Amino acid sequence: QSALTQPRSVSGSPGQSVTISCTGTDSDVGNYNYVSWYQQPPGKAPKLMIYDVSQRPSGVPDRFSGSKSDNTASLTISGLQAEDEADYYCCSYAGSYTWVFGGGTRLTVL
Amino acid sequence: QVQLRQSGPGLVRPSQTLSLTCAISGDSVSNSTSLWIWIRQSPSRGLEWLGRTYYRAKWYSDYAVSVKSRMTINADTSKNQVSLQLNSVTPEDTALYYCGRGSDFWSGYIDNWGQGTLVTVSS
Repeated sequence: QSALTQPRSVSGSPGQSVTISCTGTDSDVGNYNYVSWYQQPPGKAPKLMIYDVSQRPSGVPDRFSGSKSDNTASLTISGLQAEDEADYYCCSYAGSYTWVFGGGTRLTVL
Repeated sequence: QVQLRQSGPGLVRPSQTLSLTCAISGDSVSNSTSLWIWIRQSPSRGLEWLGRTYYRAKWYSDYAVSVKSRMTINADTSKNQVSLQLNSVTPEDTALYYCGRGSDFWSGYIDNWGQGTLVTVSS
């Protein structure tokens, strides 16, 4: 499978909202509601932020939200904070009991 | 809470076998609702889902197509840990390897991650 497509970088000022896209195909994002998002600060392991397109694990602020339209999933972070600066990765079920990640997006808080 | 502690060599020679273990605390490797997943991360390939093992009355494993012929993931119930073996490694297998726990068979999300093990393949 090919990696899902994410923008290399996005940026925003504190308090603003940013959206990170994750584009796949009819074989993964478009065919299943099994998209998850991970936050990875530099030098640390990823952390689950969203699962099943739009579900938030306990402890994740409601500033983080997820959605999907056709073959593109999106992660929106509202009320941007300095601590949100990190790399973000999407992941989707790709059929045949396999999963595929996106290439990652670097979020810079200006 | 669940903690995953990884161990294994940081340097592997080309054509040899890469072996890593992931010791589990706070959960049982035989838990019929948990899945034990391996992922790797490299600058060239980003995050890559490698495979998983899980117990549902018996043990099952699923692997990414890219490593299926070379990879084995096993569970050791006596030590409550999972292991990864990757045969015939090349420099392209150089990466930061993570183990993780999943809580949903189909969704595949990883809600707990190990600390990561950097593995370099070099002579």
